[in-house]
Amino acid sequence: EAQVTQNPRYLITVTGKKLTVTCSQNMNHEYMSWYRQDPGLGLRQIYYSMNVEVTDKGDVPEGYKVSRKEKRNFPLILESPSPNQTSLYFCASSLWSGGNQPQHFGDGTRLSIL
Amino acid sequence: TQLLEQSPQFLSIQEGENLTVYCNSSSVFSSLQWYRQEPGEGPVLLVTVVTGGEVKKLKRLTFQFGDARKDSSLHITAAQPGDTGLYLCAGSNSGYALNFGKGTSLLVTP
Repeated sequence: EAQVTQNPRYLITVTGKKLTVTCSQNMNHEYMSWYRQDPGLGLRQIYYSMNVEVTDKGDVPEGYKVSRKEKRNFPLILESPSPNQTSLYFCASSLWSGGNQPQHFGDGTRLSIL
Repeated sequence: TQLLEQSPQFLSIQEGENLTVYCNSSSVFSSLQWYRQEPGEGPVLLVTVVTGGEVKKLKRLTFQFGDARKDSSLHITAAQPGDTGLYLCAGSNSGYALNFGKGTSLLVTP
């Protein structure tokens, strides 16, 4: 089954404790991205990657890191999480970059930073 | 970042009613997508429109792209409880980023 898999689905942690949210897709997609979804603010893009070893900032990249060492994986790293990073996070992928490409989303990771 | 304004923000209707959701911008988009998101899940693509004036139908859902490619609408005929969810529009101007509206939360009660 074609899918985007995120882990963990839920995480409660404390300020400053490094964490990684993994994202993996099995569709051989070139383009992957991370979004955060907050009430009243909608979906905002954090980082995106057009291919292996190619990443770039989205609209809200501060406090986040990403890497794309393999085509299928695109982890999101919070080196020193803070409470304002409490949010619902989505990973998405598409065949290639371009706004008319269907984005396939994971089921989300709900992060709570205390 | 090109802003997409969705209206209404919330909509609560009874089963069988018709409704229209709007997605507006001052920017021109090369394409516009509509997604539906259900609680606990990620958004799922419903349709992509690319031509000004284009109309696409998906069962009881009708999507229209404005002639000037700055706006779009989603019309649902005879809404059903299964239509409940968050409807998101997303536009692109041939760039790499997809800009999302804040969504319309629809509740259809039996």
